[in-house]
Amino acid sequence: QKEVEQDPGPLSVPEGAIVSLNCTYSNSAFQYFMWYRQYSRKGPELLMYTYSSGNKEDGRFTAQVDKSSKYISLFIRDSQPSDSATYLCAMSAPTDSWGKLQFGAGTQVVVTP
Amino acid sequence: NAGVTQTPKFRVLKTGQSMTLLCAQDMNHEYMYWYRQDPGMGLRLIHYSVGEGTTAKGEVPDGYNVSRLKKQNFLLGLESAAPSQTSVYFCASSYGDISNQPQHFGDGTRLSIL
Repeated sequence: QKEVEQDPGPLSVPEGAIVSLNCTYSNSAFQYFMWYRQYSRKGPELLMYTYSSGNKEDGRFTAQVDKSSKYISLFIRDSQPSDSATYLCAMSAPTDSWGKLQFGAGTQVVVTP
Repeated sequence: NAGVTQTPKFRVLKTGQSMTLLCAQDMNHEYMYWYRQDPGMGLRLIHYSVGEGTTAKGEVPDGYNVSRLKKQNFLLGLESAAPSQTSVYFCASSYGDISNQPQHFGDGTRLSIL
């Protein structure tokens, strides 16, 4: 069983809709949670970075962490065609101080005009 | 303002051939990483370095070697390429440990082994 599970999609939504993405994980030691966006034939770029539980908002993006359920979410409001990409969740534990990240497989999102 | 640059961007090899992938960063980052990305598998760490002259194994190191002779460069070598090494390879770098700094990625090298 993978440490981090993520539905591969594709998730297709109309422009303006809310995109809801999530990951589940099994390692209770994870404390740092990230969402990366990856366009086709490009490298991942960091979108959101949260520590421990709670919510974080940045513009149209909201990240939520529920450590009790081992579940993290990313919401994209007022989605645009430019949001079409693969979204990767990643997480790490404090014991992995050299920066070990455990990635989900990524969810492909398609926003249609 | 290049960030993380990977060369080459694309390469086709025959089984048994060797090659070196180059990663260069201009952000003065201490930590550097090599990942491979395969469909349905996500990103998996091959090797990493926490400073010039240091290297360590990641999750899937077999068949690869690395060197970090200069702080800004991290090289990934395939001594005898195998079809199972067909993948997209990403290099990343960061200032320090994950609690403070995120990892910045290059745009990848697409490698096909025939």
